[in-house]
Amino acid sequence: AQKITQTQPGMFVQEKEAVTLDCTYDTSDQSYGLFWYKQPSSGEMIFLIYQGSYDEQNATEGRYSLNFQKARKSANLVISASQLGDSAMYFCAMSPYNQGGKLIFGQGTELSVKP
Amino acid sequence: ETGVTQTPRHLVMGMTNKKSLKCEQHLGHNAMYWYKQSAKKPLELMFVYSLEERVENNSVPSRFSPECPNSSHLFLHLHTLQPEDSALYLCASSQDVVQRTGAFFGQGTRLTVV
Repeated sequence: AQKITQTQPGMFVQEKEAVTLDCTYDTSDQSYGLFWYKQPSSGEMIFLIYQGSYDEQNATEGRYSLNFQKARKSANLVISASQLGDSAMYFCAMSPYNQGGKLIFGQGTELSVKP
Repeated sequence: ETGVTQTPRHLVMGMTNKKSLKCEQHLGHNAMYWYKQSAKKPLELMFVYSLEERVENNSVPSRFSPECPNSSHLFLHLHTLQPEDSALYLCASSQDVVQRTGAFFGQGTRLTVV
């Protein structure tokens, strides 16, 4: 069965420090995409970063980077220089390329940034 | 401005009511989705439309009926819902169903069934 596991229900980080949010996934598919989304209290899901299963380099988008370890089936999100506005729920998701656009989400990690 | 707009933002309905959720995207995307987000549970995919054709129905009860009249609009028609259907309903769109660039989500409709 395909599954995303986020083992950290809640995380705290000091402003300006880096934080790593964990994500592991389970799939037998060879071709898939991995995603991170941010959900503030307002409700919308904001796309942050994408990693393809065949991409050899880790994806980066500004202060976000994805630490992709394919053999371990992990796709951790690293946020550098945390800001107060980073406080939100963060969801890891996977989309097998042969499953019609389906995004499989983890249960999320609530990140709180302390001033 | 995410490019995906959902209305209404909040909806309270009785179990015998009929209502519809609306989603609109102006991103030129070909695929649109409905997701359900319940408390303490991961987001669940409900329906996928590609070029106005339904390509996935993820075992959703028939009291939820999607409609995609064109590539920019997606509706979710609701009738005889149950209290356990109370949740945040999120619409999303992506360039294609093979997701290499991420889906864009609307702000959701917070549905309460009484």
